[in-house]
Amino acid sequence: EAGVTQSPTHLIKTRGQQATLRCSPISGHTSVYWYQQALGLGLQFLLWYDEGEERNRGNFPPRFSGRQFPNYSSELNVNALELEDSALYLCASSVERGAPSTQFFGPGTRLTVL
Amino acid sequence: GENVEQHPSTLSVQEGDSAVIKCTYSDSASNYFPWYKQELGKGPQLIIDIRSNVGEKKDQRIAVTLNKTAKHFSLHITETQPEDSAVYFCAASSPGGSYIPTFGRGTSLIVHP
Repeated sequence: EAGVTQSPTHLIKTRGQQATLRCSPISGHTSVYWYQQALGLGLQFLLWYDEGEERNRGNFPPRFSGRQFPNYSSELNVNALELEDSALYLCASSVERGAPSTQFFGPGTRLTVL
Repeated sequence: GENVEQHPSTLSVQEGDSAVIKCTYSDSASNYFPWYKQELGKGPQLIIDIRSNVGEKKDQRIAVTLNKTAKHFSLHITETQPEDSAVYFCAASSPGGSYIPTFGRGTSLIVHP
């Protein structure tokens, strides 16, 4: 069974630009979660999508947004990039909503903002 | 919301020793506690989890204990090996938080051969 995949592996942008990150969940998983992992910090929850809708978002500004497609893959968009947006962005998927369910993580996209 | 504290931030042990990582949580309604291992350049991988109706769970050299009264849980690794070197994250999730896990800041475990 294929795991969670993310693309691209690395992304380099300059301040003020926009970044688009992509995630494909494990087959059969309908929930997709996005996390930011900045250097030295834990995983900070960004967004949760399930069945094509945004279900919850963390304490991040509106320039962090995304969507989930009918095939349950997801896209994270970061507008007006700032230097402090440099981080590893992790996507996770799970099979259940409304119950404790294991999240399976992808390898992440390393975003560098210059 | 939930707050998870994790200690220590760095743990250095000799091969063969045991390692213990401790976490505390604030939301008494939390009922699911996964532990993840993150190796360099990779995403976190689930290594063990425990639900609130169980006090201890074991899987070969790894065990997790949960004390609901004190709101803390711990990861125990016995007979550590160099390949156990990684960053370990604890997490807690509750119905009030839509079961979205809140993660600790991580423990960097270094196992010296």
